[in-house]
Amino acid sequence: ETGVTQTPRHLVMGMTNKKSLKCEQHLGHNAMYWYKQSAKKPLELMFVYSLEERVENNSVPSRFSPECPNSSHLFLHLHTLQPEDSALYLCASSQDLGGGRNEQFFGPGTRLTVL
Amino acid sequence: SQQGEEDPQALSIQEGENATMNCSYKTSINNLQWYRQNSGRGLVHLILIRSNEREKHSGRLRVTLDTSKKSSSLLITASRAADTASYFCATDKYSGAGSYQLTFGKGTKLSVIP
Repeated sequence: ETGVTQTPRHLVMGMTNKKSLKCEQHLGHNAMYWYKQSAKKPLELMFVYSLEERVENNSVPSRFSPECPNSSHLFLHLHTLQPEDSALYLCASSQDLGGGRNEQFFGPGTRLTVL
Repeated sequence: SQQGEEDPQALSIQEGENATMNCSYKTSINNLQWYRQNSGRGLVHLILIRSNEREKHSGRLRVTLDTSKKSSSLLITASRAADTASYFCATDKYSGAGSYQLTFGKGTKLSVIP
């Protein structure tokens, strides 16, 4: 148990569906992250939030829409996804973005399958 | 790219043996971190080594850092079947305004055979 929870753990959706992934951290951290992990690829950073403000968007398609209503919660809203978006989506948090304070605590991930 | 590259991609050893994984990177770092991931789960932070440190220990883990060669190694001693997992190194990158971001490698998949 890392103090970061993600729901749902598994999600199957059609290309026309709209769904949301939820992440919650109980660590009092100020930074939160979304990553995508596909088979045989390095972990891809998608979005970074610091104190509820988005500070990084790594050229992620607009069909992925993040939301950070407060420093403990992070959402990833999904719509009109493609089959190649099937992957493990990981949420993480860190104390903040400073060097030496960016040790990341990961949630268990959401296994997403797009049909 | 500052991405860490782990070597080997896969490693299979007998229980009780030592496992060594290496990580190389291309540009200067502030710190280097090692993470572990059990199949289909989230990553777990193992150890952080700063650029001015050369070696660090945590239980059965030993991490070394050679900034002149831009490389790090993770040694797991007296391996156990429960050590079976993927291991990732992550290097930080200064992204401006006092912020650092981690960049992960592809990982080494370790199998420890009972």
